[in-house]
Amino acid sequence: QLQLQESGPGLVKPSETLSLTCTVSGGSISSSSYYWGWIRQPPGKGLEWIGSIYYSGSTYYNPSLKSRVTISVDTSKNQFSLKLSSVTAADTAVYYCARRVVVVVAATPGAFDIWGQGTMVTVSS
Amino acid sequence: EIVMTQSPATLSVSPGERATLSCRASQSVSSNLAWYQQKPGQAPRLLIYGASTRATGIPARFSGSGSGTEFTLTISSLQSEDFAVYYCQQYNNWPPGRTFGQGTKVEIK
Repeated sequence: QLQLQESGPGLVKPSETLSLTCTVSGGSISSSSYYWGWIRQPPGKGLEWIGSIYYSGSTYYNPSLKSRVTISVDTSKNQFSLKLSSVTAADTAVYYCARRVVVVVAATPGAFDIWGQGTMVTVSS
Repeated sequence: EIVMTQSPATLSVSPGERATLSCRASQSVSSNLAWYQQKPGQAPRLLIYGASTRATGIPARFSGSGSGTEFTLTISSLQSEDFAVYYCQQYNNWPPGRTFGQGTKVEIK
């Protein structure tokens, strides 16, 4: 049974960089059938896609966050990571990592079929 | 940028009744649409992908339909465990911006 687990600091100061890691267990991150992604959810609000990465390192980012986001993959550790720079209180949210199925016809990321439990990150001094 | 709009924002339904949730895309997303269920304090769970294909382990009372710009999630007979927030997500256009709809809360009437 594949599982994803987010880890990282729960408190980040304004203007600093938020860093989270997602560890994949029970399966390989190097599968050609999947992308891997980050999604966040501010308290009481809806879901916002942050970005996705393929095991080869190819990335897609939400245009609204692209200037501040870096997603990377470490296949040797079966992990992928999120860095969000210059954070403000508006970045306070539950951050989820998730697996995305590849849409075969288009070779692009599809639905998120397996999610981590999420980790709350608060931006505050 | 494609905008996904869900309606209604809140749906009040009695247990055993049918619930119909709508999701509209500002331009065609073909059948590249998914539905998720989220309960308080939990991660979202994939219900439907490809607009109408149930994900593994999802009960048959959940069904999805539509293509292009108009989509529907139907819960044929609401069970107590179905009261939750439901999100639609398009994955047709890349890179997407607001890929998720704003959600529909299904509450007990």
